[in-house]
Amino acid sequence: EVQLVQSGAEVKKPGESLKISCKGSGYTFTNYWIDWVRQMPGKGLEWMGAIYPGDSDIWYSPSFQGQVTISADNSISTAFLQWSSLKASDTARYYCARRGLAAAGDYWGQGTLVTVSS
Amino acid sequence: ENVLTQSPGTLSLAPGDRATLSCRASQSVSDNFLAWYQHKPGQAPRLLIYGASGRAAGIPDRFSGSGSGTDFTLTISRLEPEDFAVYFCQQSGGSPPHTFGQGTKLEIK
Repeated sequence: EVQLVQSGAEVKKPGESLKISCKGSGYTFTNYWIDWVRQMPGKGLEWMGAIYPGDSDIWYSPSFQGQVTISADNSISTAFLQWSSLKASDTARYYCARRGLAAAGDYWGQGTLVTVSS
Repeated sequence: ENVLTQSPGTLSLAPGDRATLSCRASQSVSDNFLAWYQHKPGQAPRLLIYGASGRAAGIPDRFSGSGSGTDFTLTISRLEPEDFAVYFCQQSGGSPPHTFGQGTKLEIK
């Protein structure tokens, strides 16, 4: 069974760093792109970027370029999303999704809620 | 950036009704890589339709997608109580960003 399991909720202060994770199982991790998607409170979905673990090709949305870093560790079938200096405006739920047929997100993680508050 | 505009913003219908949701792209969607998702509070989005008209695994046949180029439609033939949710379209053809529409809220009338 294909699963993406994300790390737990985080509460951080502005300026702190953070790395959240998304562990894939039940499929060959290196064969599929992983997308990262943001949902701010009460808002819609925003595509942040993606990684292809097979060759570490990484794409960023212009809106998120330079704001976050996407990476993966194939030895543990896990993709990561990290911030070096969080802002209050980073408060959101973050989802990872496997990109399947026609590049659609066929499996999603449960989401990681990140709260940034002083 | 390919901007997706969904309409209507909110759709009020009753169980048993037919729902028609629209997604219009500012540029042609490459390879018609247009997907539809259902999103309920506290849950992860659920893929309904990929490639504009392909039904994802386990999705009931009351859900159907159509369209090409810049105009796409999600149709729910006969609404069930569990269908009331927010629906997003996403384009993932060509170069990033792989943008989402702003969503259509399907609410019970």
